[in-house]
Amino acid sequence: QVTLRESGPPLVKPTQTLTLTCTFSGFSLNARTMRVAWFRQPPGKALEWLARIDWDDYKFYTASLQARLTISYDPSQNQVVLMMTNMDPVDTATYYCARTTTGFSFDHWGRGTLVTVSS
Amino acid sequence: EIVLTQSPATLSLSPGDRATLSCRATQSVTDHLAWYQQQPGQAPRLLIYDAFSRATGVPDRFSGSGSGADFTLTISRLEPEDFAVYYCQLYVTTHFDPSPMYTFGQGTKLEI
Repeated sequence: QVTLRESGPPLVKPTQTLTLTCTFSGFSLNARTMRVAWFRQPPGKALEWLARIDWDDYKFYTASLQARLTISYDPSQNQVVLMMTNMDPVDTATYYCARTTTGFSFDHWGRGTLVTVSS
Repeated sequence: EIVLTQSPATLSLSPGDRATLSCRATQSVTDHLAWYQQQPGQAPRLLIYDAFSRATGVPDRFSGSGSGADFTLTISRLEPEDFAVYYCQLYVTTHFDPSPMYTFGQGTKLEI
């Protein structure tokens, strides 16, 4: 059974760095075609893709946030970590991680974690 | 930049009705278009991928169609659990940059 679970601080201050962890099970990110991505959804708004890491360690970022994002994989923990620097109140959102085997759509999602940016 | 526009923003129907949701791109795109259902406070659930293929476990009352720049999600007979927000999502690359991009529509709220 494939599961993903996001974790991270519920509250961060402006200018701080956010670190989110996606802990997954039921698959290996070392297996060919496996990929894990991060998304976010501000309250009442649409989803936005942030970053993706692939089985071969290729990493991709949305252009508008590329300078602030870093995605990485810890195989010993089965975790994908997303770091976002210089947080701002507009970054307040629910952050999701999800899996794709095709690279085109996402078949399993975590339940999301709400991050509020406020002083 | 390709933008996905979903219509209508809100669709008010009753159980048993047929629902037709539209997703239109600003230019002709690949068929790597997906549809997701999102219940309040929950993660998105993949319904349709590659424009018309149903994801595992999705009831056959959900169907996807379309090509080019116009795509449709149809729910043939609405069940109470189908009232939710629906998003379309497109996988995008360009000849100049093979890096992936994913863009979402703004959603259609299907309400009773």
